[in-house]
Amino acid sequence: NAGVMQNPRHLVRRRGQEARLRCSPMKGHSHVYWYRQLPEEGLKFMVYLQKENIIDESGMPKERFSAEFPKEGPSILRIQQVVRGDSAAYFCASSLTEYEQYFGPGTRLTVT
Amino acid sequence: GQQLNQSPQSMFIQEGEDVSMNCTSSSIFNTWLWYKQEPGEGPVLLIALYKAGELTSNGRLTAQFGITRKDSFLNISASIPSDVGIYFCAGQSYSGGGADGLTFGKGTHLIIQP
Repeated sequence: NAGVMQNPRHLVRRRGQEARLRCSPMKGHSHVYWYRQLPEEGLKFMVYLQKENIIDESGMPKERFSAEFPKEGPSILRIQQVVRGDSAAYFCASSLTEYEQYFGPGTRLTVT
Repeated sequence: GQQLNQSPQSMFIQEGEDVSMNCTSSSIFNTWLWYKQEPGEGPVLLIALYKAGELTSNGRLTAQFGITRKDSFLNISASIPSDVGIYFCAGQSYSGGGADGLTFGKGTHLIIQP
């Protein structure tokens, strides 16, 4: 009964590189959410996806950030041309319905 | 956007004491959830509340969904060392596209003094 899985757990990128964060939801869950957490802060909603569809991306920065949840495989959060301000912990959550969300362990992105 | 005010920001208590924390919002939420996060880990769901006025328990934890839909509290009875962590409230509302992403409070740091 595996929980939400995220990889990598830690990711270091130089400014200008691309970062790809992966999330495998709990078995049977078709709703995926991405959040960003800065140190000493709460989580901030970024995007909500269902299989092959972006439902709500109101929390996503307009440039450089994109997300997908393909029919097969994990959900991907992609950050192009990373900057130091992108350094944060990125969490994925999944849910069976639209109610309770279960979180993964997160990916800590450090931009040098 | 919606904002949650969570208090207190931190709590220093003795083992065995009861703990109470709360969240208030300027807008209505359809669902309130409480999570606990430990260093280096993701938030773990503790309690979910779906109806105004609902009071729900999970072991030593009790949470209530405020009658106005704008607030919630979490109580922990007889605290033990493993209760240490950051507790977050989160509210969720439903717009035309379905359930919105969660809006989180800034967290309550619970520290238990020996």
